Order: sequence, then structure tokens, then C-alpha cells
Amino acid sequence: GQQVMQIPQYQHVQEGEDFTTYCNSSTTLSNIQWYKQRPGGHPVFLIQLVKSGEVKKQKRLTFQFGEAKKNSSLHITATQTTDVGTYFCAGGYSSASKIIFGSGTRLSIRP
Amino acid sequence: DAGVIQSPRHEVTEMGQEVTLRCKPISGHNSLFWYRQTMMRGLELLIYFNNNVPIDDSGMPEDRFSAKMPNASFSTLKIQPSEPRDSAVYFCASSSYRDGYNEQFFGPGTRLTVL
Repeated sequence: GQQVMQIPQYQHVQEGEDFTTYCNSSTTLSNIQWYKQRPGGHPVFLIQLVKSGEVKKQKRLTFQFGEAKKNSSLHITATQTTDVGTYFCAGGYSSASKIIFGSGTRLSIRP
Repeated sequence: DAGVIQSPRHEVTEMGQEVTLRCKPISGHNSLFWYRQTMMRGLELLIYFNNNVPIDDSGMPEDRFSAKMPNASFSTLKIQPSEPRDSAVYFCASSSYRDGYNEQFFGPGTRLTVL
């Protein structure tokens, strides 16, 4: 079945260090979305990638979609305390609305 | 726009009682999703609707769970009878498919505790 795996489960970094979370699907995706959930909050959409090999940047965040459209990554450069939260990838497998969420990576930061 | 609205924000009930969660999607969105989030199981899709029609309810745990969307601006998720293992945060989200993009907008969630 369609499944989205995400690693690592947790990441604890020193403020200023970089952070990366990885997402992998067993089958080809039509698109990948990334969400951020702050502690006690709800998931908030960050970005959607649809093209093979696509790379998008949002300030210190860099999102990549693999050439085979089966994997994706989110990289944060020079983390700040405001980056704390859980980052989820979510894979879309067709033009339908449904997306499958990964298990998330919880980022905590030492000031 | 007020965003996705959910009520109640918190619900504490006793085992065996009926629980009804409510959601108002963003106006103009034609897809609505119900998710459940727990520490153990993460974020699970329970059911989703397109144009008020249920499309995929394979995530609904069992017959105790039911969802309806009588019109484009309202949906309910009902649990009857409730059990302690139903305790979780339930999110409603809505989206609109446009030019290949269909980001979901989540409501604040309902934190359900079944004693």
C-alpha cells in the first residue's frame, strides 16, 4: 500500500546548527507537501513540490524532490528557536485530494 | 477569511457517551478531511469528502465512527459509543485543487478525552 516513511523521528540541535529531515515513499509520488506543527498547534502548510528534481527555497529552508519522485528532504540552515516543532512530509499519489502524512520529525533546539 | 473552524476545542466525556465534533471549512474549498492525531499513531486520515461526497473512509477505525457533510459549509464526526482509546486530537482540514496544487488548511483541532 501507499506509505510515506520519514526520518529521523527526533532531532535535537544546538541553535545555529543545520537540520535535515528525509521522506521516502515506496511508490512514485505525484507531489510532496511539507507542513510544520508547533507544540500545541495544528499543521501549517509550508510548500508543495510537483516536479522531478525540483528544489525550492524559503529563506533558510530548502526543499528537494527526488528525480524519481519517491523521496524528498527539508533542510534548515542555521536553526533558530522559532524553528522548534514537528515537520511532516505528506505524499500525494494522484490528482486526487488525499495525501499520506509521514510520521514527522520533531525538532528541538538548545539555545 | 476565518480559516477552518472547529468546535468544541476541548471535550471531556465518559466512556459510552456520544461525541459530536463539528467543522466549518474555508469557503470555496471543495475537499474536507478528518484526521486523528495521537503520540502512538501520529496523524491519521479518517475520512475525506469531495464536493460533500465521502470519497475514502478506509481510515475510519470502526462502526462507532461516522462522518457527514450535509452541505459545503459544515461537517460532523460522531463517535458513538466513545471509548478511552478514542482520546486524541481530531483535526479538520479543507483544500481546493487548483493548477496541480492542493495544500490543506487545518483547523485548530478538538482535544477529546474519554474517561
